[in-house]
Amino acid sequence: DAGITQSPRHKVTETGTPVTLRCHQTENHRYMYWYRQDPGHGLRLIHYSYGVKDTDKGEVSDGYSVSRSKTEDFLLTLESATSSQTSVYFCAISPSGGGIYGYTFGSGTRLTVV
Amino acid sequence: QQQVKQSPQSLIVQKGGISIINCAYENTAFDYFPWYQQFPGKGPALLIAIRPDVSEKKEGRFTISFNKSAKQFSLHIMDSQPGDSATYFCAASNSGGSNYKLTFGKGTLLTVNP
Repeated sequence: DAGITQSPRHKVTETGTPVTLRCHQTENHRYMYWYRQDPGHGLRLIHYSYGVKDTDKGEVSDGYSVSRSKTEDFLLTLESATSSQTSVYFCAISPSGGGIYGYTFGSGTRLTVV
Repeated sequence: QQQVKQSPQSLIVQKGGISIINCAYENTAFDYFPWYQQFPGKGPALLIAIRPDVSEKKEGRFTISFNKSAKQFSLHIMDSQPGDSATYFCAASNSGGSNYKLTFGKGTLLTVNP
């Protein structure tokens, strides 16, 4: 999607290895979010950021950490990947926290942990 | 605690029919209710949204109906088309609060048969 890029698009990694996913935006939006999408569970919030160096946990944050050292980049790190973290990960950006101007989602990263 | 409950999980409709997806929320502080549409391999995209000061909002073939007293809202797709086949997510937020995020339902997979 225009203004937001996720990398990589696909990744296969081994259990126990650290993995970092990157979300890059060119919209200068304050709010950034990481979700995971799994069948039957919908979109579940992992972590979010409301400014540079300002982050907070979502509902499924265990095993994940994030960093935002500049406005345009929001990194999601799986500290030691497990098979339960096999999922599709989406980054989203928004100019407002409550989403009244809409969230713009990236195209997703499909992560497989073997 | 699931704050936004969405039903049905899946829905099959014939071309030209009406698709109806329902959501219920618990948090009375929610004051913004969007619907997102997601096609396979893509991130969700904002479709239509409503505020609780109106009971209905229509955009083309898509209509949101809102019942504040029942804490329910629904998406109606009139004259459903095969191109409407997608996953639909309802969401809710307290737009003026410090919560900084949307709460999503688990999604409804809509299939429109030709």
